[in-house]
Amino acid sequence: AQSVTQLDSHVSVSEGTPVLLRCNYSSSYSPSLFWYVQHPNKGLQLLLKYTSAATLVKGINGFEAEFKKSETSFHLTKPSAHMSDAAEYFCVVSDLVGGYNKLIFGAGTRLAVHP
Amino acid sequence: SAVISQKPSRDICQRGTSLTIQCQVDSQVTMMFWYRQQPGQSLTLIATANQGSEATYESGFVIDKFPISRPNLTFSTLTVSNMSPEDSSIYLCSVGSVAELFFGEGSRLTVL
Repeated sequence: AQSVTQLDSHVSVSEGTPVLLRCNYSSSYSPSLFWYVQHPNKGLQLLLKYTSAATLVKGINGFEAEFKKSETSFHLTKPSAHMSDAAEYFCVVSDLVGGYNKLIFGAGTRLAVHP
Repeated sequence: SAVISQKPSRDICQRGTSLTIQCQVDSQVTMMFWYRQQPGQSLTLIATANQGSEATYESGFVIDKFPISRPNLTFSTLTVSNMSPEDSSIYLCSVGSVAELFFGEGSRLTVL
């Protein structure tokens, strides 16, 4: 079975500095990977996804992630944090269970952005 | 994309009671998903609801505790039965496919 591990439960950065949210996955085959964001009292929104095309994936709001098979990683980055980026971020992997695909969510990383 | 409305957005419930959460989608969808997000934790899939058939429950979730209805292609309900404080969670309705899921804002339940 597939799984994801988000290495940091909390990350705190200053506005204007880079953001790095780390995610490692375990997979017996080439996975599909996603990052979702959840702002306070809001539903989740897809940031970006990797589905075996380009290894560097660009998403919304200036975020991007790089799929590194050798490191089994899919870290999320942004060059310059904005106050509005403060939210919970989930790394997600698609798994094939019982003949159909389902999404497995990581534990989440809470990003705080300080002035 | 899809716009999903959930009701109630939040509620405080007494132990032993049941609460039904409604999920309305602005377009017709085949599959609807119900997730639970316990305090400080990630999302766990409760069940998948297809219109016209019984919901499919994930390991650890049973129909007696979480009965689901799916009367048409735009609507579903999830009931949390005989609630205990351990059921205090955010319950989220979702539609889409593995390529992209769209979520409602969730229903935050607190059980006293």
